[in-house]
Amino acid sequence: NAGVTQTPKFRVLKTGQSMTLLCAQDMNHEYMYWYRQDPGMGLRLIHYSVGEGTTAKGEVPDGYNVSRLKKQNFLLGLESAAPSQTSVYFCASSFGQGLNTEAFFGQGTRLTVV
Amino acid sequence: EDQVTQSPEALRLQEGESSSLNCSYTVSGLRGLFWYRQDPGKGPEFLFTLYSAGEEKEKERLKATLTKKESFLHITAPKPEDSATYLCAVISGGSNYKLTFGKGTLLTVNP
Repeated sequence: NAGVTQTPKFRVLKTGQSMTLLCAQDMNHEYMYWYRQDPGMGLRLIHYSVGEGTTAKGEVPDGYNVSRLKKQNFLLGLESAAPSQTSVYFCASSFGQGLNTEAFFGQGTRLTVV
Repeated sequence: EDQVTQSPEALRLQEGESSSLNCSYTVSGLRGLFWYRQDPGKGPEFLFTLYSAGEEKEKERLKATLTKKESFLHITAPKPEDSATYLCAVISGGSNYKLTFGKGTLLTVNP
């Protein structure tokens, strides 16, 4: 049981380049989240999804886009990377409602934009 | 908007010295409060879920409690391996089940 898997684990981009981060979960969770974590800022929500085909903006959505075409996958895209997007990105998933609402996290993607 | 504030930002303890971490929250319709542990270079690891005031959960040396305004994570007789960042998060029905985190408490337990 893999849980939540993020790819890639590390990436270096040049300013202006684009890339997609992939998150895959095998727990049949409805809800999926993308966070970024920066020193002193904690985990900040970028975008989230409450089900297949749906997405919503979080706290810091600018410069990012997402898609949830399949229930098990949640993609985070950077169209034109900027140095301010240097961060560690975490994906998480949960059942969302009911009694089992805890979220489970992937191991993170460390992105550096130069 | 949901808000989560954790204190202290950092806590240094001697092995065996018990203490508590605080998480205060402001939400519209709390659906769940969560505690996570995060080790350097890793993703947050789920510890506890609390749903209603008065609820308590325990796991080894950790005990989480919940009131209507805050939660405490009590650490009894900590060991060096308990050193980590502890994160608190909430889900509220008023935010469409968005998961909001506090900034965390960095706990260091010295042998």
